[in-house]
Amino acid sequence: DSGVTQTPKHLITATGQRVTLRCSPRSGDLSVYWYQQSLDQGLQFLIQYYNGEERAKGNILERFSAQQFPDLHSELNLSSLELGDSALYFCASSVQVGVNTGELFFGEGSRLTVL
Amino acid sequence: AQSVTQPDIHITVSEGASLELRCNYSYGATPYLFWYVQSPGQGLQLLLKYFSGDTLVQGIKGFEAEFKRSQSSFNLRKPSVHWSDAAEYFCAVANQAGTALIFGKGTTLSVSS
Repeated sequence: DSGVTQTPKHLITATGQRVTLRCSPRSGDLSVYWYQQSLDQGLQFLIQYYNGEERAKGNILERFSAQQFPDLHSELNLSSLELGDSALYFCASSVQVGVNTGELFFGEGSRLTVL
Repeated sequence: AQSVTQPDIHITVSEGASLELRCNYSYGATPYLFWYVQSPGQGLQLLLKYFSGDTLVQGIKGFEAEFKRSQSSFNLRKPSVHWSDAAEYFCAVANQAGTALIFGKGTTLSVSS
């Protein structure tokens, strides 16, 4: 158990819908990262937050957004869903703002299926 | 831009045999390199990391990796594989800003008895 909690574990929805994925980082971790894992693209970095502020953006679509709340949990919002958005979405957390000085701890992921 | 290539999509090794998983990276400066393992239905777990210093790094579960700058490689090794090592293995490099990890496509390891 990494200490990172993601909900829901599984989600099935229809095209055009909107979903919210939730992540609670390890106790004491200030950084939250979101990754998308799909068969064709592999693991793609989406976005990072540190202590409530957005710090880095990766290959995140405009239809997707995220935020980190004062209690440090984070939510990833996916809207106008398309079939290609079906993937496993991972949240990871770390104490530091960067990845070069420590370890990222990953949750078990939220599997999104868009029908 | 930084990138990671894992040439082998799937490898099968007999239990007790040695293992080497290949990883090549593209990066201009000294890279920060990582190996993660993902068991079915689980998140990713860090096996080991290289930041600087000794080019042979030891990790958890008996794994080690060697950084070879001349070959732009960071191959993962284990002298004797156990059935529980069957999983997917990801090599990663930190991006230049140090804000994210860039992952390879992964290598699936199967262990035969």
